[in-house]
Amino acid sequence: NAGVTQTPKFRILKIGQSMTLQCTQDMNHNYMYWYRQDPGMGLKLIYYSVGAGITDKGEVPNGYNVSRSTTEDFPLRLELAAPSQTSVYFCASRHRSRGNSPLHFGNGTRLTVT
Amino acid sequence: AQKVTQAQTEISVVEKEDVTLDCVYETRDTTYYLFWYKQPPSGELVFLIRRNSFDEQNEISGRYSWNFQKSTSSFNFTITASQVVDSAVYFCALSEAREGGGADGLTFGKGTHLIIQP
Repeated sequence: NAGVTQTPKFRILKIGQSMTLQCTQDMNHNYMYWYRQDPGMGLKLIYYSVGAGITDKGEVPNGYNVSRSTTEDFPLRLELAAPSQTSVYFCASRHRSRGNSPLHFGNGTRLTVT
Repeated sequence: AQKVTQAQTEISVVEKEDVTLDCVYETRDTTYYLFWYKQPPSGELVFLIRRNSFDEQNEISGRYSWNFQKSTSSFNFTITASQVVDSAVYFCALSEAREGGGADGLTFGKGTHLIIQP
C-alpha cells in the first residue's frame, strides 16, 4: 500500500514563482491536511478538507490555496512564493471516525524559496 | 483554544539510560485525544500512540511507556534502556473529539529532539 504520496520531495523556487505540491492517498480517507514544519516550531496546519469539494483554512493559510476535486488528491498551491514559505510541507490523511483516528503522513516536500 | 507544550527542546543521554519526554496540554473539552509521533532523521512522521481522555491507564509497548495524568494535564513518554535508533524528534499532539472525529486535525507541540549517544 502506498499510503500518502507527496511530490516533489525537494524544490527550489525563486521569489514570485508559483508551484503546486501534489498529495494523493489510496486509503479512501475522507479527511486530508496540509501542514508546514519550521525548525523548532512543530507542525502548523495550513488547510484541511473533510471531503471532495470541501476545504477550510487552518492556522496559517495566507499565501496558499488548495482544492479537493477527488477523494484521493489534495494539491497545495503557492501562487507568489516568498522566502517565508521556505519550509517542509507534510500532507496527511485520516479516516473519518468518532474515535479520532491517527493521521497518516506523507514523506514531506522540502521547499526553499530564494 | 488548544495548546500543547513540550518544554524540553533537546535531550541528550547515553545509550541504555532511561529518558522521559514531557508533554503538557491545554483544552476546554472534556473529551479529547492525545498522540505521540516520532520523526527520525530521515524526516517521516511515524505514529506511536493514541490515548483518549477517558482512559488513564498507562500503556507499555516494549521499551516505550506512556503516563497519562488528567489531573496534571500531562501525557509523558518514557523510553527505557534507550538505543541509538531512538534518536529522533518526538511530537506530542492533541485533538478534540467532535461529531465527525475532529476534522480540523491535530495541534502539535514544538517537539523534543532526543539524542542518544553511543
